[in-house]
Amino acid sequence: DVKVTQSSRYLVKRTGEKVFLECVQDMDHENMFWYRQDPGLGLRLIYFSYDVKMKEKGDIPEGYSVSREKKERFSLILESASTNQTSMYLCASSLGNTIYFGEGSWLTVV
Amino acid sequence: GIQVEQSPPDLILQEGANSTLRCNFSDSVNNLQWFHQNPWGQLINLFYIPSGTKQNGRLSATTVATERYSLLYISSSQTTDSGVYFCAVERNGGSQGNLIFGKGTKLSVKP
Repeated sequence: DVKVTQSSRYLVKRTGEKVFLECVQDMDHENMFWYRQDPGLGLRLIYFSYDVKMKEKGDIPEGYSVSREKKERFSLILESASTNQTSMYLCASSLGNTIYFGEGSWLTVV
Repeated sequence: GIQVEQSPPDLILQEGANSTLRCNFSDSVNNLQWFHQNPWGQLINLFYIPSGTKQNGRLSATTVATERYSLLYISSSQTTDSGVYFCAVERNGGSQGNLIFGKGTKLSVKP
């Protein structure tokens, strides 16, 4: 069974903290993605990666960075968390026409 | 860039009713997908349907690429169909998974 696992389901962080959201997939997919979901806005692409150590900006990369040191792991980093980054974050991986999402990480920044 | 619009934004149904969800997109696309997000946040791919019609149980989808719209049909709805349905199209020049999502249709099925 395919699996995309996000390390934290619910997080509460303080403004200014550095936040790491981890994502691991067990399907040997080359493509991995980080999306952000906000009410009434759908999903928006933050960053994506087609290969190890490769990254590309999506639609809303400001305030975020990513790391892909191993094929199976794609990390989203909030260098200095702000309240407007309170959201649900979804990691995904894809092969061919099929994309698989993780269960999401609900981040609250206070 | 491509715009993706879904309608209606909200839909309330009685169990057993049928419904049609619509997705309009502003440019030609190579890839269109429908997703269901359950109340706990898990997103599941329902259909990959850049054109034509597909059926999977009580759900079916039709995309008319030349007219830039897609429809998702839900027949004999059940409470487990509740959640948010998203339409997404592949970004021009992008790879699979590099998707532009609509804002979704929130479906509530009442027993």
